[in-house]
Amino acid sequence: AQKITQTQPGMFVQEKEAVTLDCTYDTSDPSYGLFWYKQPSSGEMIFLIYQGSYDQQNATEGRYSLNFQKARKSANLVISASQLGDSAMYFCAMREANSGNTPLVFGKGTRLSVIA
Amino acid sequence: GAVVSQHPSWVICKSGTSVKIECRSLDFQATTMFWYRQFPKQSLMLMATSNEGSKATYEQGVEKDKFLINHASLTLSTLTVTSAHPEDSSFYICSVSRGSKNSPLHFGNGTRLTVT
Repeated sequence: AQKITQTQPGMFVQEKEAVTLDCTYDTSDPSYGLFWYKQPSSGEMIFLIYQGSYDQQNATEGRYSLNFQKARKSANLVISASQLGDSAMYFCAMREANSGNTPLVFGKGTRLSVIA
Repeated sequence: GAVVSQHPSWVICKSGTSVKIECRSLDFQATTMFWYRQFPKQSLMLMATSNEGSKATYEQGVEKDKFLINHASLTLSTLTVTSAHPEDSSFYICSVSRGSKNSPLHFGNGTRLTVT
């Protein structure tokens, strides 16, 4: 079964508008972490934002915020005021267990295209 | 955050030859590193967990005799693709975690391998 599901293969957004990228996850572990990464065409993986399963508030990092709905097991990424440079692949990922020495499991990604 | 250096950025090799990819943690001593593989337009798939001073742990379906991993020091892990075939052509990317559960993985810039 898929641990991380990203149902939107591709999304378009107008420059300066906000966009939401969907992510749902599946785990029975009570302690887990959710991460979002951006991958431009160059291939590098850029960490954007983190949400812990016990965090009471939604994470925010600049123009990025995470809409965390624990009961629904969803962790959607919201990008506000989109810029042309935001065009990239976006991956949602999860780490189960209570250790940083466990790997991340990635979703299939969403390709975001920002239109001028 | 941790800075990860990966070399080479790209390599073209002939079928049957071996290729070594290096991953260095530049500002953090990493007991654990992760190697991922990404085929075009697909997600990152974990290949193996590299453990300093001990054998790597391989994911199901990844041939340990084909993808040799050596984590000889706290700052260096190498992945050797032995007897490469065209189907091994892919993007290989290593990552490091600082060890706490909320630490993101810091990725190298990846190696694009093309086997002719």
